[in-house]
Amino acid sequence: EAGVTQFPSHSVIEKGQTVTLRCDPISGHDNLYWYRRVMGKEIKFLLHFVKESKQDESGMPNNRFLAERTGGTYSTLKVQPAELEDSGVYFCASSQDPRVVETQYFGPGTRLLVL
Amino acid sequence: AQSVSQHNHHVILSEAASLELGCNYSYGGTVNLFWYVQYPGQHLQLLLKYFSGDPLVKGIKGFEAEFIKSKFSFNLRKPSVQWSDTAEYFCAPPKYSSASKIIFGSGTRLSIRP
Repeated sequence: EAGVTQFPSHSVIEKGQTVTLRCDPISGHDNLYWYRRVMGKEIKFLLHFVKESKQDESGMPNNRFLAERTGGTYSTLKVQPAELEDSGVYFCASSQDPRVVETQYFGPGTRLLVL
Repeated sequence: AQSVSQHNHHVILSEAASLELGCNYSYGGTVNLFWYVQYPGQHLQLLLKYFSGDPLVKGIKGFEAEFIKSKFSFNLRKPSVQWSDTAEYFCAPPKYSSASKIIFGSGTRLSIRP
């Protein structure tokens, strides 16, 4: 069974540019989560999709971040325009049952560097 | 609001040394506690978990953790570390009313000298 995949693995962009990160969850997982870790700090929750609906987007830092999950399969996270403080690692996770946190399976992350 | 704190940012040990990584949390309600690990170049994965019952929890690869309610702690231990334990370790108590959001500690980087 394929795990959670993320693309790209690394991205280097200049301040003011736009970047789109993609996450493909495990097949059949309705729940998809985005987390990020900025500059060696703690990993922070960004948002949670159930199928194509945003269940909880309380962790989204500001309106420069837009997450979508059209069709309830893969998800994209767009940062527009990117700022220096957006540099970090963006993790995606998916689960079948959101009531059991141990069932969240993480992807390898996308390392974003904004110059 | 709940929070979790990990006391050690970077720990360096020699092989065969004993390990204890601290984790303290600060909320009431139902306590479910987890330790996650990220080996170099690999995904975050669950190391061990505590839901209820025996406060001494056994995980994979010889790790264990003890939940001490009176101290709000869930420290990770291993009697004898190996070079392959080099990784970053995260303590994580989920939001007590929902398992849909993981709140991670700041992480402890463990380096093992061969």
